[in-house]
Amino acid sequence: EPEVTQTPSHQVTQMGQEVILRCVPISNHLYFYWYRQILGQKVEFLVSFYNNEISEKSEIFDDQFSVERPDGSNFTLKIRSTKLEDSAMYFCASQMTGLRETQYFGPGTRLLVL
Amino acid sequence: AQKVTQAQTEISVVEKEDVTLDCVYETRDTTYYLFWYKQPPSGELVFLIRRNSFDEQNEISGRYSWNFQKSTSSFNFTITASQVVDSAVYFCALRELLTGGGNKLTFGTGTQLKVEL
Repeated sequence: EPEVTQTPSHQVTQMGQEVILRCVPISNHLYFYWYRQILGQKVEFLVSFYNNEISEKSEIFDDQFSVERPDGSNFTLKIRSTKLEDSAMYFCASQMTGLRETQYFGPGTRLLVL
Repeated sequence: AQKVTQAQTEISVVEKEDVTLDCVYETRDTTYYLFWYKQPPSGELVFLIRRNSFDEQNEISGRYSWNFQKSTSSFNFTITASQVVDSAVYFCALRELLTGGGNKLTFGTGTQLKVEL
């Protein structure tokens, strides 16, 4: 069964460093998402991406964040200058169409900013 | 704004007991979708069920069942004869359509279920 994959599974970085989290969505899916879960808290929407552009972003998704689909298979989340409060689990999700379909989540990348 | 409330922060049961996880939602949409996801200790989010607002039939899948009541804006999840492997955090989520296409999920705060021997 096709699944969403994410790399790396864990990432430790120093405050102020740039990180890129990578995702490979399910191949025939058209909508892509990033969510974040701070330890022990709920999962929060960050951004949705369709047709090579951001369709919506939350207030969490500030100028330090960017997303890209560089090659038709990968979907990346970049944090330009990490802060301690960026430490969280980051989930990528993909969805076949926008109407009735389910979002399927990847296994997540646990980011720790020191 | 969309909102999902899972009032039960943590539930502990003994194996083989039945357990119900509550979910109450708020939305102004007339058509909407509700979801349950399971998050085991390994951290991934596992899709369990999707239910749309115009289908109020309850659903059963093995030991899992869901009770959708539009009149009370609730979408509760029952595990029958719980097992240790059911121990996880369970999230209820409400789907909101985005104007640019696609949709986003609003999650509840989750219920930590612990099933003990």
